[in-house]
Amino acid sequence: EAGVTQFPSHSVIEKGQTVTLRCDPISGHDNLYWYRRVMGKEIKFLLHFVKESKQDESGMPNNRFLAERTGGTYSTLKVQPAELEDSGVYFCASSSLTGGTEAFFGQGTRLTVV
Amino acid sequence: DQQVKQNSPSLSVQEGRISILNCDYTNSMFDYFLWYKKYPAEGPTFLISISSIKDKNEDGRFTVFLNKSAKHLSLHIVPSQPGDSAVYFCAARRWTGTASKLTFGTGTRLQVTL
Repeated sequence: EAGVTQFPSHSVIEKGQTVTLRCDPISGHDNLYWYRRVMGKEIKFLLHFVKESKQDESGMPNNRFLAERTGGTYSTLKVQPAELEDSGVYFCASSSLTGGTEAFFGQGTRLTVV
Repeated sequence: DQQVKQNSPSLSVQEGRISILNCDYTNSMFDYFLWYKKYPAEGPTFLISISSIKDKNEDGRFTVFLNKSAKHLSLHIVPSQPGDSAVYFCAARRWTGTASKLTFGTGTRLQVTL
């Protein structure tokens, strides 16, 4: 069974440009999460989808970040326009049970804004 | 305001000995605590968890202890193996009834030496 996959694995963009990250959760997992790790610090929660609905987006930094999960399958996270402080590793995770404790993480997308 | 803290950024242990990784938290609303292991260029991998109503959970070489009054948990690895060398993240879950959010510590890099 395929795990959580994220595309691209690396992205280098200039300040002011737009970047879209994609996450394909494990098949059948209704819950999808986005997290971010900046400069080797803690991994911070961004938001939680249940199917196509945003259950909690309290961790989204500002309105330059837009997450979508049309059809309740894969998800995209768009940053527009990107700023230098957006650099970091963006992780996606999925889980089958909304109340479950174990979430499976993807390998992450390393975003560098120059 | 860091709600989950791992005060030791690194730890070095000899193969065969016990590794003890520590974690402190401040929020009494957390209901589950988890440990994740992370290798370079990979996403975090779930290791073991413990409910807030328990004080110990064991899985093979890994045991997690929870001291709720002290708001402290620890991960014990016995015996430590070279393959255990990785960054270990402590995470705490807050379940709102409809949404789940993990709050991570900054990680402890464990090196198991021969």
